[in-house]
Amino acid sequence: SQQGEEDPQALSIQEGENATMNCSYKTSINNLQWYRQNSGRGLVHLILIRSNEREKHSGRLRVTLDTSKKSSSLLITASRAADTASYFCATAVIYNTDKLIFGTGTRLQVFP
Amino acid sequence: ETGVTQTPRHLVMGMTNKKSLKCEQHLGHNAMYWYKQSAKKPLELMFVYNFKEQTENNSVPSRFSPECPNSSHLFLHLHTLQPEDSALYLCASSQVQSSGYGYTFGSGTRLTVV
Repeated sequence: SQQGEEDPQALSIQEGENATMNCSYKTSINNLQWYRQNSGRGLVHLILIRSNEREKHSGRLRVTLDTSKKSSSLLITASRAADTASYFCATAVIYNTDKLIFGTGTRLQVFP
Repeated sequence: ETGVTQTPRHLVMGMTNKKSLKCEQHLGHNAMYWYKQSAKKPLELMFVYNFKEQTENNSVPSRFSPECPNSSHLFLHLHTLQPEDSALYLCASSQVQSSGYGYTFGSGTRLTVV
């Protein structure tokens, strides 16, 4: 099994609702990052949270990190149709921090 | 535009063809990466260059050959590919080779091998 796994694999909500995606990982990390990918495009960096941080905010995004449970969550508040995309977590494994390991992503569909 | 430009956006090639993918960034970054994205699989890191030196080859078949002539340009030379090599190939860059920085990705090249 892989280092980072997102849950759920797919999520459908209405505009205005909140969307929560989770990421679990297996090996201790230096930091964890979230990326967004619109269909057929490249990934866009959203937020980086370090292992000594528990929560971070950026606009409508809120990321939490629980190193004891080896998990992170991404909350998008008051979602919009433009938030429709795939969301990936990427981990920087401690002692091997030269590269990021990506999960398979959560596909979010926001209906107007 | 993210600052990382990939060309071409789409490529269809036969198994006996030779083609190249190009990636260019003018962000002043010193590390560049090639990733392969296939359906329902995690992104696979292929190659890493840091200050023009290759620092990672993630057991990639020799039919994929990277080239990094300078910190701003990265190429992926392709020859005698297989249909299973069809995927979205993504280039990314970062300040240096360190996961302490976020990566900036290009829009990718959608490759179809027929």
